Amino acid sequence: DAKTTQPTSMDCAEGRAANLPCNHSTISGNEYVYWYRQIHSQGPQYIIHGLKNNETNEMASLIITEDRKSSTLILPHATLRDTAVYYCIVRPPGAGANSKLTFGKGITLSVRP
Amino acid sequence: DTGVSQDPRHKITKRGQNVTFRCDPISEHNRLYWYRQTLGQGPEFLTYFQNEAQLEKSRLLSDRFSAERPKGSFSTLEIQRTEQGDSAMYLCASSLEGAVSSQYFGPGTRLLVL
Repeated sequence: DAKTTQPTSMDCAEGRAANLPCNHSTISGNEYVYWYRQIHSQGPQYIIHGLKNNETNEMASLIITEDRKSSTLILPHATLRDTAVYYCIVRPPGAGANSKLTFGKGITLSVRP
Repeated sequence: DTGVSQDPRHKITKRGQNVTFRCDPISEHNRLYWYRQTLGQGPEFLTYFQNEAQLEKSRLLSDRFSAERPKGSFSTLEIQRTEQGDSAMYLCASSLEGAVSSQYFGPGTRLLVL
């Protein structure tokens, strides 16, 4: 079972920041938070991951609360191409059974012109 | 493009037929995963290879399903005696060996069983 809770959907205006929340209140101390997105009819795309520090890359920023029970993915300037299903996943480090990804239903982000 | 590739992209078959899908991972990645995704759901894990060794199989992978990765490079997923419930998107992903390595997905093979 997925260990995360996300709203079903949200929308934002093109050019504005999109803030996608995720709750993971049962996260363990060594589990990482990963974000993937899936544009219609394509395979999931890795976005970013983090443990406890905030992370930023060319695609997005990941803000993890101090208690690690929730996080927010920020797309600073959303474009129409960012319309997709976004999955928040928690995963322990390691190989074997620990390395698989357990997806929930994700949050559908709709970027409007 | 040197990403994960899958073939075919689409497959329509009749119930009871066998089908085989191929996945070519990113060349230096020694981990390879298969997932299945049905409409409206997130992908579900099926099986995982480290090089040529199949290290884990989900209980979703019934005995009609078999996966191989004979030389630790490309992988095949075969479904025997297909059923309508097998209709889904079959996704392949690969990653480097590492505690927190990210998985990179292919475009998927969409299977429709009539």
